[in-house]
Amino acid sequence: EAQVTQNPRYLITVTGKKLTVTCSQNMNHEYMSWYRQDPGLGLRQIYYSMNVEVTDKGDVPEGYKVSRKEKRNFPLILESPSPNQTSLYFCASSSARNTGELFFGEGSRLTVL
Amino acid sequence: GNSVTQMEGPVTLSEEAFLTINCTYTATGYPSLFWYVQYPGEGLQLLLKATKADDKGSNKGFEATYRKETTSFHLEKGSVQVSDSAVYFCALYNAGKSTFGDGTTLTVKP
Repeated sequence: EAQVTQNPRYLITVTGKKLTVTCSQNMNHEYMSWYRQDPGLGLRQIYYSMNVEVTDKGDVPEGYKVSRKEKRNFPLILESPSPNQTSLYFCASSSARNTGELFFGEGSRLTVL
Repeated sequence: GNSVTQMEGPVTLSEEAFLTINCTYTATGYPSLFWYVQYPGEGLQLLLKATKADDKGSNKGFEATYRKETTSFHLEKGSVQVSDSAVYFCALYNAGKSTFGDGTTLTVKP
C-alpha cells in the first residue's frame, strides 16, 4: 500500500529537549515536505526537499532542521523545542511527474511544555 | 507570489443540502488546482484536481471547475451527507511550490 508514515503520532516533551519526527514514504517520490497546521493559520510549509541531499526552507523554517540522506526518508529535527512549536505536523511527498499532487502522512501532534 | 483565499468557516448544513465552498487564487503562470479533505484525526487526502483552465475535477459527488477568468476553483456538491463532515483545503501548485488556503470546516447534521 502506498503511504507516508510519520512517527511518533503523539509526543509531549519539555522545552529544550531535542526530538526528531521521522517521515518515510514508499512511493519512490522525489519531493518531500514538512508542514505545520495551527488553528486559524492553515498549513504552513517548514522545509522541503526536491531530491536526495537537496533541501530548502519553506515559509516558517526557524527552529527546525531537516536532512535527506535517502530518497524515502525526510526527518524533521527540533534541536531545542519551544512552546511555540506546539502544533500538528504533516509530512507529504510528491512525484515529479504528477503535477503537484501531495500524499500526506497522518500527522504528528507535538506538545512542548 | 502565490496565494489562496477560501471561504471562512465553519459551515454547518443539513443532510442533503447543497454545498459551495468558494476558493480564489493569485498566481503567475498556469498553476494546477486542488481540493484536499481532512477527516477528523487524519491527514489530508486529495479530493479532486484540475490542471488547466476549464478542466472540471470530480470525485465522490464533489465538483470544481478551473476558472482562469475569475481565478476561482469553487467546490460544490449537490447533496451532502453526514460523512462529508471534514475540513476542506483549496490549494495550488505552481513552479514547484504548493500553497494552501486556511481550510473550511464543514459540519453536516442529520
